[in-house]
Amino acid sequence: DAGVIQSPRHEVTEMGQEVTLRCKPISGHNSLFWYRQTMMRGLELLIYFNNNVPIDDSGMPEDRFSAKMPNASFSTLKIQPSEPRDSAVYFCASSVAGAGEQFFGPGTRLTVL
Amino acid sequence: RKEVEQDPGPFNVPEGATVAFNCTYSNSASQSFFWYRQDCRKEPKLLMSVYSSGNEDGRFTAQLNRASQYISLLIRDSKLSDSATYLCVVYRRGYQKVTFGTGTKLQVIP
Repeated sequence: DAGVIQSPRHEVTEMGQEVTLRCKPISGHNSLFWYRQTMMRGLELLIYFNNNVPIDDSGMPEDRFSAKMPNASFSTLKIQPSEPRDSAVYFCASSVAGAGEQFFGPGTRLTVL
Repeated sequence: RKEVEQDPGPFNVPEGATVAFNCTYSNSASQSFFWYRQDCRKEPKLLMSVYSSGNEDGRFTAQLNRASQYISLLIRDSKLSDSATYLCVVYRRGYQKVTFGTGTKLQVIP
């Protein structure tokens, strides 16, 4: 069975550019989570969706970040404009709604120069 | 106070040793608890759920103490392959709120 799929796996961009990260959750999972991980702050929850609806976006750092989930099998996290401090590994995870057991994708390693 | 707190370590232990990690949580309404493992430059993966009565999976034992609001993970007969960061996770079902601890790093030494 396919796990959570993320693309791209690596992204290097210049400050000011738009970055779009993509995620395909596990089929049948109703909840989707976006996380950011850095050495300094660990794993931070940015936003999560339940049945394609954003439930909690309190972790989104600022207006430069936006996330969408147009259907049950696809989500995007967009950063516009990107800044060097956005450099991190961004993970997407999915779970069955109401469960705390999450399955993570391999992550996107973002470097903003 | 952070909602979930862990000792970052690192815990350096010899092969074959027994090691235990604790994780404290601040919200008594927390309902479900998990341990995840994260290898270097990899994604977190579920290691085991933590049940009220305690549970065991091979060399790993997880326990929950609701009165003192902590969970623990015990690893017996440590293997080199156990070297990783162990993340404690707390879940509040009604709020669908999941909180990860910052992790405890374990290094098993030959």
